[in-house]
Amino acid sequence: GAVVSQHPSRVICKSGTSVKIECRSLDFQATTMFWYRQFPKQSLMLMATSNEGSKATYEQGVEKDKFLINHASLTLSTLTVTSAHPEDSSFYICSARAATFYYEQYFGPGTRLTVT
Amino acid sequence: AQSVTQPDIHITVSEGASLELRCNYSYGATPYLFWYVQSPGQGLQLLLKYFSGDTLVQGIKGFEAEFKRSQSSFNLRKPSVHWSDAAEYFCAVGVYDMRFGAGTRLTVKP
Repeated sequence: GAVVSQHPSRVICKSGTSVKIECRSLDFQATTMFWYRQFPKQSLMLMATSNEGSKATYEQGVEKDKFLINHASLTLSTLTVTSAHPEDSSFYICSARAATFYYEQYFGPGTRLTVT
Repeated sequence: AQSVTQPDIHITVSEGASLELRCNYSYGATPYLFWYVQSPGQGLQLLLKYFSGDTLVQGIKGFEAEFKRSQSSFNLRKPSVHWSDAAEYFCAVGVYDMRFGAGTRLTVKP
């Protein structure tokens, strides 16, 4: 149980275009979802927290107009990288937390974004 | 603010040797502590977690960790390392939002 999927696993896009990454909780309802970014050989940095039906809360330094997060249902959150640039290339990982297990996050497998 | 420190960036051990990865945390209340493992290009796999109770926690793949409040530590141990344990290990703390340490890369020598 407690499986989180991400789609796509890898994406390559051209500079200036937008790309959407989906995060789904497959067997539980996720009241809260988190988006992390990981640079090569570095730790995970929390980008934003989203609660179902509410606006996302972004960490300091994260551009909310560039990284659009939508948590429209209890099983789906999306991260859209708008007007992508090569410096947005990174590994993006989502996690989800269920209402019944509020102290634990379940992580997706990650999405590798490369902007050319 | 909560934070996690993993003092060792890279550790190399021989296969069959014991392993200890260090983790120190800063947290205002009783911490919720986690250890995750990440293979290259992969997501995170939870090894074990501590919320309360017995301070020695058993996890998957033969790992264990001990919570020591007096030392603000949550070190990960394994008595005998296998080549497949080579990976990046992250310690994390948090309840409503999780903060990760910088990670420790484990190399296993044959």
